[in-house]
Amino acid sequence: QLQLQESGPGLVKPSETLSLTCTVSGGSMNNKTFYWDWIRQSPGKGLEWIGIIYYSGTTYYNPSLESRVTMSRDTSKNQFSLKMTSVTAADTAVYYCARVLSIPSRPVDLWGQGTLVTVSS
Amino acid sequence: DIQMTQSPSSLSASVGDRVTITCRASQTISNFLNWYQHQPGKAPRLVIFAASSLQRWVPSRFSGGGSGTDFTLTISSLQPEDFATYYCQQTFVNPYTFGQGTKLE
Repeated sequence: QLQLQESGPGLVKPSETLSLTCTVSGGSMNNKTFYWDWIRQSPGKGLEWIGIIYYSGTTYYNPSLESRVTMSRDTSKNQFSLKMTSVTAADTAVYYCARVLSIPSRPVDLWGQGTLVTVSS
Repeated sequence: DIQMTQSPSSLSASVGDRVTITCRASQTISNFLNWYQHQPGKAPRLVIFAASSLQRWVPSRFSGGGSGTDFTLTISSLQPEDFATYYCQQTFVNPYTFGQGTKLE
């Protein structure tokens, strides 16, 4: 059964870059049936969509984060990644990587467990 | 951005109750609406996609409806494992946005 696992530093200093990797296990991410998302949830708040990466490698980002975010993928390693520059305390959140069905409503049908990233000096 | 407003924000219910959660979009989103269940300490799970399609693992007591701007998630007979926070999400326009959540307790 396919699983997703986020990895990366749990603590990042303000103004530095947050880097997370999602490893896909139990199956290949090199599949046109799926896209891949990053989503976050700040403490005590709701869910915020960060961006999506398609099978082709094309990316789309939340405009509120677009200037600071880059998503990429390495299909040979079965991984995709998130980089967010110039982080502040407002970027403290649980970050989820997720699999998206390539159908019009783009539902997330599989989520990672999430990883807490704290921005603090 | 499209604002997604869920009501109520929290709902006190008992096992066996029929419950309905509403999600309203600030502009029309056709049926580009998904529902997720989130239990503390667990990854969220897809419940309903495309407004009314039941995800494979989901029991038939769950149902979704609506189109345009107004949507509902109904649980016909609440079970202990259904107590969770439910979120709607629109995927009609970037950025994809979520409702603020409805906590079933």
